[in-house]
Amino acid sequence: DAMVIQNPRYQVTQFGKPVTLSCSQTLNHNVMYWYQQKSSQAPKLLFHYYDKDFNNEADTPDNFQSRRPNTSFCFLDIRSPGLGDAAMYLCATSRVGGGAGNEQFFGPGTRLTVL
Amino acid sequence: SQQGEEDPQALSIQEGENATMNCSYKTSINNLQWYRQNSGRGLVHLILIRSNEREKHSGRLRVTLDTSKKSSSLLITASRAADTASYFCATAQNSGYSTLTFGKGTMLLVSP
Repeated sequence: DAMVIQNPRYQVTQFGKPVTLSCSQTLNHNVMYWYQQKSSQAPKLLFHYYDKDFNNEADTPDNFQSRRPNTSFCFLDIRSPGLGDAAMYLCATSRVGGGAGNEQFFGPGTRLTVL
Repeated sequence: SQQGEEDPQALSIQEGENATMNCSYKTSINNLQWYRQNSGRGLVHLILIRSNEREKHSGRLRVTLDTSKKSSSLLITASRAADTASYFCATAQNSGYSTLTFGKGTMLLVSP
């Protein structure tokens, strides 16, 4: 089945130790998104790629970076995680064009714990 | 910035009852979408309603949209314990390429 896959599902890191979260998709969608979601809150968009074009939200901390080496994969790098970065990180995809209504397809998320 | 505001924040009902959740937004939109999120999981797209539509159905779901009041409602009929989840509305300002702005969500608990 076509899907969005996130690895790992659970990630524990230490304060200040860089961490990378990964996302892959078999939907061949041209847009990929990274969201941060804290407990009982709405998902907060960090950035997204439309094909290779990178779009950063204005309030995304500099500590967060992203890479999209090809259509299928997208990575979220947190350079120096702080305790406030502990959250669920959600990857999503959507298809632009062909009458698509920009519905987004989400992966299961990666729960990040910062010790 | 957050645009959608869901109401209520939490809703507790018995199986078989109907559940109604509301969403308000601030700016003009192209479409509004509803998503479900089970605890600790990703979001699942439920239904999309375009700005020129007033009502849409999908199985036990009914969505209405009132653009004059900038509000939408999601009705789940004959609810089941498996409907227990958080429900988010999300708005898109443009057709095609547009990011979504999510509301704060309604947590629905359906008791057997």
